[in-house]
Amino acid sequence: EAGVVQSPRYKIIEKKQPVAFWCNPISGHNTLYWYRQNLGQGPELLIRYENEEAVDDSQLPKDRFSAERLKGVDSTLKIQPAELGDSAVYLCASSLDRWGNYGYTFGSGTRLTVV
Amino acid sequence: GQQVMQIPQYQHVQEGEDFTTYCNSSTTLSNIQWYKQRPGGHPVFLIQLVKSGEVKKQKRLTFQFGEAKKNSSLHITATQTTDVGTYFCAGSGSNYQLIWGAGTKLIIKP
Repeated sequence: EAGVVQSPRYKIIEKKQPVAFWCNPISGHNTLYWYRQNLGQGPELLIRYENEEAVDDSQLPKDRFSAERLKGVDSTLKIQPAELGDSAVYLCASSLDRWGNYGYTFGSGTRLTVV
Repeated sequence: GQQVMQIPQYQHVQEGEDFTTYCNSSTTLSNIQWYKQRPGGHPVFLIQLVKSGEVKKQKRLTFQFGEAKKNSSLHITATQTTDVGTYFCAGSGSNYQLIWGAGTKLIIKP
C-alpha cells in the first residue's frame, strides 16, 4: 500500500512568487492535515480536512495561504505570495478517522526555501 | 489555550544508556500519541495511549500515560544508534486536534 504521497520534495523560489504543494493521502483516509514544521520544532497544524470540508483552518494565514481538497481525496496547499519566513517543511498527513486513532501517517514533506 | 510541554529539548547518551522524555499537558487529554522523526525524515507514528495509567511496551521502548491523563513518558532501555532522532508527543484534546510537544532530540555520543 502506498503511503501519503507529496510533491515536490524540494522547492526553491524567490520571495513574492507563488508556490503550490500537492498531497495524496492513504486510500480510505478521510481526514487530511497540512502541517508546517520549522527546523528544530514540532509540526504546526495549518488546516484539517474531513472529506472535502475544511473543519479547522484557524492557524492558516489566509491572506497568503489557501488550500483545497475538491473531491475529498488529494489536496493542494498554495502560498501566494511567498515570504522569506515561509521557508519550512510542509508536511501532509492523513488519518483513518477524525480522532486520529491508529495515528497520523505523514508524507515525506516538501522542503520550501524562499530566497 | 492547550499546551503540551516536552522535556528535555536534547539528550546526549552513550550507546547502551537509557533515555527518557517527558510530556506534560496543561489540560486533561483524551489520548496521547508518540512519534519518532529521524534526521531529515518525517514523523512516524509509534503508539497511542488512551487509558489512565496505561503502560505499553514495544521491545526496548516503554510508554506511560499518567493517572490524571495529563502527562506521559517514553523510556528507551539500552539505546542503540538506530534510536537516534527526535521523539514527539502529541496530545488529543476535546476538538480532535493534536497538540504537539516541541520534541526531544536523542543524540548518541560516539
